[in-house]
Amino acid sequence: GENVEQHPSTLSVQEGDSAVIKCTYSDSASNYFPWYKQELGKRPQLIIDIRSNVGEKKDQRIAVTLNKTAKHFSLHITETQPEDSAVYFCAAVSGSARQLTFGSGTQLTVLP
Amino acid sequence: GAGVSQTPSNKVTEKGKYVELRCDPISGHTALYWYRQSLGQGPEFLIYFQGTGAADDSGLPNDRFFAVRPEGSVSTLKIQRTERGDSAVYLCASTRSGANVLTFGAGSRLTVL
Repeated sequence: GENVEQHPSTLSVQEGDSAVIKCTYSDSASNYFPWYKQELGKRPQLIIDIRSNVGEKKDQRIAVTLNKTAKHFSLHITETQPEDSAVYFCAAVSGSARQLTFGSGTQLTVLP
Repeated sequence: GAGVSQTPSNKVTEKGKYVELRCDPISGHTALYWYRQSLGQGPEFLIYFQGTGAADDSGLPNDRFFAVRPEGSVSTLKIQRTERGDSAVYLCASTRSGANVLTFGAGSRLTVL
C-alpha cells in the first residue's frame, strides 16, 4: 500500500517569513495529493490539492509543487501570518485505491 | 445537510463496553469514509463505503470494529469490547462519487477508561 512521509514534524517561523513542508510517497500510481490544515480540536480542512498531471499550483499565499519522478511534493506558504499556525497534513491517493493515506503532520507555529 | 455531522462529539466508556459512533454525510455524497486519528498523528484509514456497500474495509484493525451504511446515507461505526488503545478521534468524511476531495466531520472523541 501507499506510504507517505512528512517533514519536518514541527516548524517555527517568524511572521512574514516563508514556510515549506515536504512529503514523499511510495506508490508511483498515486495521482492526487491534497493538503489539509487542522487547527487544535477542529476538523481537517482542505487548503490546496494537486493532481499528477501538473507540477505546480498556487492559490494566493499557498502553493504546492509535485515532482513525480522523485515522488515528492511540497507545500509552500509565503508571508506567513499567526493564523497560519496549525497542523498541516499531506496525503496521497493512488489510482487503484480510493482512500487517502496521510502523512504524520507538521505543527507550524508562526511567531508574531 | 450542509456539512458532515458526527455524533456524539465526545464519548467516555469503560474497557469492555460496546460503542456506536454515527456519521451523517453531506446530502448527495455517495462515498463515505471512516478514519481514526490518535494524538499527534495523521488520520488513519479504516473503511470506505460506496453507497450501501463497504468497498474497502482493509483499514479496520480487527473484528471488534464494524461499520454499516444500510440506506446509503447515515453510517454507524461499531466497536465491541472496547480497549484503552481504541481511544482516539474517529473522523468521518464524505465525497461525491468519483471525486477525491474529502469533507470531514468534526469527529467523535472516544475515551476508553
